[in-house]
Amino acid sequence: GAVVSQHPSWVICKSGTSVKIECRSLDFQATTMFWYRQFPKQSLMLMATSNEGSKATYEQGVEKDKFLINHASLTLSTLTVTSAHPEDSSFYICSARVPGGASGGTEQFFGPGTRLTVL
Amino acid sequence: GENVEQHPSTLSVQEGDSAVIKCTYSDSASNYFPWYKQELGKGPQLIIDIRSNVGEKKDQRIAVTLNKTAKHFSLHITETQPEDSAVYFCAASKHNDYKLSFGAGTTVTVRA
Repeated sequence: GAVVSQHPSWVICKSGTSVKIECRSLDFQATTMFWYRQFPKQSLMLMATSNEGSKATYEQGVEKDKFLINHASLTLSTLTVTSAHPEDSSFYICSARVPGGASGGTEQFFGPGTRLTVL
Repeated sequence: GENVEQHPSTLSVQEGDSAVIKCTYSDSASNYFPWYKQELGKGPQLIIDIRSNVGEKKDQRIAVTLNKTAKHFSLHITETQPEDSAVYFCAASKHNDYKLSFGAGTTVTVRA
């Protein structure tokens, strides 16, 4: 399957600082990427849809000024958690939609995730 | 919006036995149903998917069945092995929407 990478795999930061997480599609171009948040022993919660060259679409209840998303190229989307606080500690996972393909462009492949811990 | 329910939440099986996970969805417009396997500390891995124009799909020990009328789909794992132990998520999405709605997950434990 298609390969999606994330960097960093984990990060620890102090409260009030900003953290940037990168999501890359390694062997395909992704016009659409998605950002999810997952708390321990829970399911994935979609935060936003990132479209190359346009503004991200945020899900209800997700603060767009706190979670800044940039999708400047067909292979890179970034999520910046601004002024992070302990309650932002979570596992952040991105996915990329594979255009075309056997499932008509609906397949999503996920990155390995980024564990954010805010002290 | 779409609501996906998944059962059971935990499943323990003896190695070699079969495991079955069931999901139901609410939106009749959903037409794509993937299954993901997530190991501890890792991202979800797509293991099999099915589109609404197909009733069943099989890939070695894994199979998925879809009943559009009843709006439910199931994952079947045969001849389970210890490495099948993980959390499994079902999901659903609609054509041209692409956003996935996930089930709550099933923790599968295969006993050696």
